[in-house]
Amino acid sequence: EAGVAQSPRYKIIEKRQSVAFWCNPISGHATLYWYQQILGQGPKLLIQFQNNGVVDDSQLPKDRFSAERLKGVDSTLKIQPAKLEDSAVYLCASSIRRTRNTGELFFGEGSRLTVL
Amino acid sequence: AQKITQTQPGMFVQEKEAVTLDCTYDTSDQSYGLFWYKQPSSGEMIFLIYQGSYDEQNATEGRYSLNFQKARKSANLVISASQLGDSAMYFCAMREEAGGSYIPTFGRGTSLIVHP
Repeated sequence: EAGVAQSPRYKIIEKRQSVAFWCNPISGHATLYWYQQILGQGPKLLIQFQNNGVVDDSQLPKDRFSAERLKGVDSTLKIQPAKLEDSAVYLCASSIRRTRNTGELFFGEGSRLTVL
Repeated sequence: AQKITQTQPGMFVQEKEAVTLDCTYDTSDQSYGLFWYKQPSSGEMIFLIYQGSYDEQNATEGRYSLNFQKARKSANLVISASQLGDSAMYFCAMREEAGGSYIPTFGRGTSLIVHP
């Protein structure tokens, strides 16, 4: 079974530029998450989708961050304009919820963003 | 308030010894789940073990066991017979249910170094 795919793995941009990250979850996983992990900290949830609807985006800085999940499969996270404090690893994860399922998250390798 | 607290920023253990990583949580839900993930230097988050709030037995998965004390709201991870490959960041996470969906929250992590 293929895992969660993310791209690009690395991105360096100047502040005020824009960037987009792509995620393809595990086939059949209805729930998709975007997390921001700043160096030395735990992952912080930015947005959670159930199919193509948003479950939680309370910690997404909506003035600069946007995310979409078209057709309930792939997702894109965009930052425009980027700030220095956006330097982080952006982790995509997916999960499946079934009866008697723990709901553990399956993570991609992450996209490391450096804003100069 | 922090939902997940990991008070040990770093831990050291000798190879082949056991180590306990602490985690306390805060929730008013009756139904919730607790997870531990491992994040090696490569960056990918790996699911280790799960404990449901209604599970009466402590979870075990190979060398990993979860010391679940519900009244104290703690879910400590015990790694027995540490190996050099166990050196990594370890994150405790909690899954709460909101509006029919699972919302996972992570702690700040504990860095574990296993030395020979």
